[in-house]
Amino acid sequence: DSGVTQTPKHLITATGQRVTLRCSPRSGDLSVYWYQQSLDQGLQFLIQYYNGEERAKGNILERFSAQQFPDLHSELNLSSLELGDSALYFCASSQTGIAYEQYFGPGTRLTVT
Amino acid sequence: GDSVTQMEGPVTLSEEAFLTINCTYTATGYPSLFWYVQYPGEGLQLLLKATKADDKGSNKGFEATYRKETTSFHLEKGSVQVSDSAVYFCALLTKGGGADGLTFGKGTHLIIQP
Repeated sequence: DSGVTQTPKHLITATGQRVTLRCSPRSGDLSVYWYQQSLDQGLQFLIQYYNGEERAKGNILERFSAQQFPDLHSELNLSSLELGDSALYFCASSQTGIAYEQYFGPGTRLTVT
Repeated sequence: GDSVTQMEGPVTLSEEAFLTINCTYTATGYPSLFWYVQYPGEGLQLLLKATKADDKGSNKGFEATYRKETTSFHLEKGSVQVSDSAVYFCALLTKGGGADGLTFGKGTHLIIQP
C-alpha cells in the first residue's frame, strides 16, 4: 500500500459525458501527478500540481483539467468524453516538487461506451 | 523530446533463470532513471533508481546501472521467482526545464514459470 488513494476504482460512462476522478496523496506529500495508461499510448504524464498550484503540463488534452485543493487532494476532470479516453488513470504523489520518488495510487479504470 | 525504449514482451522464463530487460533512452540534459513494477490489478511501485552516470540502483535482487555512454539502464536479476511475474517499466525524469513528470517505456510483461 503506497498511501495514495484514488476513487472511484471503476467508472463506466457514455460518450459526451463528464467525470471527476479523485486522488488523496500520501500524508505530507505536496505534489500530485496524474498519468494516463492506455494500450495505444502506454503510460503518459498529464499534469502536476505542487502545493495547490499547477507546476507542469504533459500530454493533457484541453478537454481535461485538474486542480489541487487546500487539503492537498486533487481532482482530474474529464469532459466531452470520447471512446479513446477509456484508460487507467493513475495519481502519484511526492514529498516535494522534485519528483525523484513518486508513489502511485491503485488507479481508476475509466470505460467510455 | 525525451523517450524510453524497452524490449516488449511477453518475456517468459523458468524459475531461477537469469533475467535481463533492456532499456535505452533519449533525453536532453542528464536524466534520472527508474525501474517501476506493476503487479496485476495494482499501481506502479518504484523498484530502483539511479540519478547519475555509473550509479547502480538495486532492490529485491534486481540491479540496473546507469550507462551514459550507451544511454542504457538495463534491468537484471540473477535468479527470478514466480512472484517476480509482473510488468516492468523503465522511466526517466529530466531535471529542470519543462515537465516534471516521468517519461515511461511501453513496459515489459515478465512471466516466470515454475
